[in-house]
Amino acid sequence: GAVVSQHPSRVICKSGTSVKIECRSLDFQATTMFWYRQFPKQSLMLMATSNEGSKATYEQGVEKDKFLINHASLTLSTLTVTSAHPEDSSFYICSAHQGTGRDQPQHFGDGTRLSIL
Amino acid sequence: AQKVTQAQTEISVVEKEDVTLDCVYETRDTTYYLFWYKQPPSGELVFLIRRNSFDEQNEISGRYSWNFQKSTSSFNFTITASQVVDSAVYFCALSTTTSGTYKYIFGTGTRLKVLA
Repeated sequence: GAVVSQHPSRVICKSGTSVKIECRSLDFQATTMFWYRQFPKQSLMLMATSNEGSKATYEQGVEKDKFLINHASLTLSTLTVTSAHPEDSSFYICSAHQGTGRDQPQHFGDGTRLSIL
Repeated sequence: AQKVTQAQTEISVVEKEDVTLDCVYETRDTTYYLFWYKQPPSGELVFLIRRNSFDEQNEISGRYSWNFQKSTSSFNFTITASQVVDSAVYFCALSTTTSGTYKYIFGTGTRLKVLA
């Protein structure tokens, strides 16, 4: 149980393109989902917390207009990288929080490797 | 401050050796949770274990064991008789509530290389 599906797994596109990444919890409802960014050989950097039915909470330094997050249902959150540029190339990972308590683990998607040419 | 420190950036061992990955945390919370995740080369993060601050019992799961010590704020992870498939980056994480918002604080990860 507790499977999170992230799609696509890899994107290669031209500079200026907008890219949408989907994160779905397949067998549980996730009130809260998280979006992380990971640079090579580095830790996960939390970008934003996505709450179903409300606006996402962005971490300091993360541009809201650049990284649009929509959490339309209890099983789906999307991250759209708008007008992507080469510096946006990275590994993006989503996670879904099962339940509401701090004791519940986050379950992660397989990640999306984004390459902007 | 809320912080997780994994001082070991990279560890290399030969297959069948035991290896311990260190995790030291800082938190003001009296109730908190600690987690270990494995990230193999394919990239996905795999949940390994959760421990709450009130339960200092050590845990063993097959070749994996965890030693939680509140007195030293440590939550170390030991792999016994390591195998090549254990090669991955391992992250320790602290679950905290800052300003009412739940989030993870991740350590920087330890890259484990198990050599055949």
